[in-house]
Amino acid sequence: KNEVEQSPQNLTAQEGEFITINCSYSVGISALHWLQQHPGGGIVSLFMLSSGKKKHGRLIATINIQEKHSSLHITASHPRDSAVYICAVETSGSRLTFGEGTQLTVNP
Amino acid sequence: DTEVTQTPKHLVMGMTNKKSLKCEQHMGHRAMYWYKQKAKKPPELMFVYSYEKLSINESVPSRFSPECPNSSLLNLHLHALQPEDSALYLCASSDPGMTYEQYFGPGTRLTVT
Repeated sequence: KNEVEQSPQNLTAQEGEFITINCSYSVGISALHWLQQHPGGGIVSLFMLSSGKKKHGRLIATINIQEKHSSLHITASHPRDSAVYICAVETSGSRLTFGEGTQLTVNP
Repeated sequence: DTEVTQTPKHLVMGMTNKKSLKCEQHMGHRAMYWYKQKAKKPPELMFVYSYEKLSINESVPSRFSPECPNSSLLNLHLHALQPEDSALYLCASSDPGMTYEQYFGPGTRLTVT
């Protein structure tokens, strides 16, 4: 069993829909990261959180440390949100353990 | 400047060639990372440099040789690679004094023929 599990693996939505991607982990962590990767490779850090909730524009990330669970929400989704979203947990020092990613496709 | 740059963007090399990948950041970050990413898979950590010293080597074959000449620059020297080494190679940096939020470069797409 992977230490970081994401669901769903693939997600297709219509423009404007509210989207949720889930991440569960089984190890002790110091922080959790949500990353976005567009086709072509570049990875962008969306959020780093160790408790509570963070919001940036249409993106919201929450974490429940007791339940070892995090969610990434996208409100009013847009085709430009189409990308792979990766959950990664920070365990010891600078090491990140990655989930397998969620491929999101938003259709116009 | 919050950018990590990587050169070249694409590289095709034969199995007997020697080549190098370069990564640069000017954010004053003192930790730098090399990752390898195969298609439709998450990045796999290869090496971590912290304060210009190699702190993590994830049992990477010796045909990959990292180098950190100064705090802004990270190289990955490649020699006698195999076709299965074809992948996207990503560099990242972070400031270990403040947070481990990692800033990623755009990657080098490597093809070994």
